[in-house]
Amino acid sequence: AQSVTQLGSHVSVSEGALVLLRCNYSSSVPPYLFWYVQYPNQGLQLLLKYTSAATLVKGINGFEAEFKKSETSFHLTKPSAHMSDAAEYFCAVTVSGGYQKVTFGTGTKLQVIP
Amino acid sequence: ETGVTQSPTHLIKTRGQQVTLRCSSQSGHNTVSWYQQALGQGPQFIFQYYREEENGRGNFPPRFSGLQFPNYSSELNVNALELDDSALYLCASSLGTNQNTEAFFGQGTRLTVV
Repeated sequence: AQSVTQLGSHVSVSEGALVLLRCNYSSSVPPYLFWYVQYPNQGLQLLLKYTSAATLVKGINGFEAEFKKSETSFHLTKPSAHMSDAAEYFCAVTVSGGYQKVTFGTGTKLQVIP
Repeated sequence: ETGVTQSPTHLIKTRGQQVTLRCSSQSGHNTVSWYQQALGQGPQFIFQYYREEENGRGNFPPRFSGLQFPNYSSELNVNALELDDSALYLCASSLGTNQNTEAFFGQGTRLTVV
């Protein structure tokens, strides 16, 4: 079964610093991987997705993620954090089986310090 | 183009009662999925409806049931509510059931069981 593991439930960075949120996946078949962001009291918004077309995926709001098969990783990065990036971030994988079931990680809460 | 809308936004129910949550999918989307997000956790897949039929289900008991209507809107019904059912319930719609299809999430219904 496919799954994702997010390392670090809380990450704090200074405004302007690099953001790095870690995600490792487990899958017996080539996975489809996603990063979602959730602002307080909001639903989930897709940041980016990996669908095997390119290993470096660029998303919205300056975020990007690199698929590394050798490391089974799909870490999310942003060169310079903004205050507005403070939110919870979820890594996710879709599960094969004839329907679209999104399996989420446990989330990483990003705090941006002024 | 309207997004995914859920109603109500907040709800308080007593243990043992029944509840119905509603979701209007994004225009043109024929697939609706429901997720339960407990406090501090990632969303957990409940089930998915495609063209009015349930075509996938997560590890939830039968007292969680649903419907999808001809206009692709959907309901989630929970019978015999338990305290642990307190959570944010998210609805997501997509076009088709392919694994790499983007799911668009609503803002959720916050259910509190007392």
